[in-house]
Amino acid sequence: GDSVTQMEGPVTLSEEAFLTINCTYTATGYPSLFWYVQYPGEGLQLLLKATKADDKGSNKGFEATYRKETTSFHLEKGSVQVSDSAVYFCALSTPGNTGGFKTIFGAGTRLFVKA
Amino acid sequence: DGGITQSPKYLFRKEGQNVTLSCEQNLNHDAMYWYRQDPGQGLRLIYYSQIVNDFQKGDIAEGYSVSREKKESFPLTVTSAQKNPTAFYLCASSEEGDNGYTFGSGTRLTVV
Repeated sequence: GDSVTQMEGPVTLSEEAFLTINCTYTATGYPSLFWYVQYPGEGLQLLLKATKADDKGSNKGFEATYRKETTSFHLEKGSVQVSDSAVYFCALSTPGNTGGFKTIFGAGTRLFVKA
Repeated sequence: DGGITQSPKYLFRKEGQNVTLSCEQNLNHDAMYWYRQDPGQGLRLIYYSQIVNDFQKGDIAEGYSVSREKKESFPLTVTSAQKNPTAFYLCASSEEGDNGYTFGSGTRLTVV
């Protein structure tokens, strides 16, 4: 079945470091891909998305490129800030059996950024 | 501002009691979802509804029930049949199409 695999955390970086969080997926067909962010005690917020191969999603300095050949959607940011400390979830969405779309989430990767 | 409101933020109940978690949205979204999140884990789908008066079981529906009498509201009842109900519960909604979810801020349920 469809699945999403993220790198295990926690990831600990110093402020202004480069961030990469790896995400690979398995899916039949052509899913849409998403990154969500969850701050402590809060719900998830949609960070960025890409709907087809080679699309690049970007938001707030974060970006990810839909790579069909490697089935990957790695999240990157050039210079992280302390305020980026959160849990990041990779997700895919495919048409559901009963209509609509079914979303599958990865296990999440916790990021700590030190000042 | 449009969004999803979950209430209460924290909920304590005694073992064996049913409890209902509220989820209200003013985004005019057709689809709504309930997820459960346990510490250090991803999200698991409990129930979802694509239209009023219709809902489907997700991956872990046992011990839970829902209703969808209004487009804006999708309450979740955690029954005494749920063996391990202590968790963080997240409600989400989505518009037609494949544009991602809007989440509420969650309800943390603790059963003692």
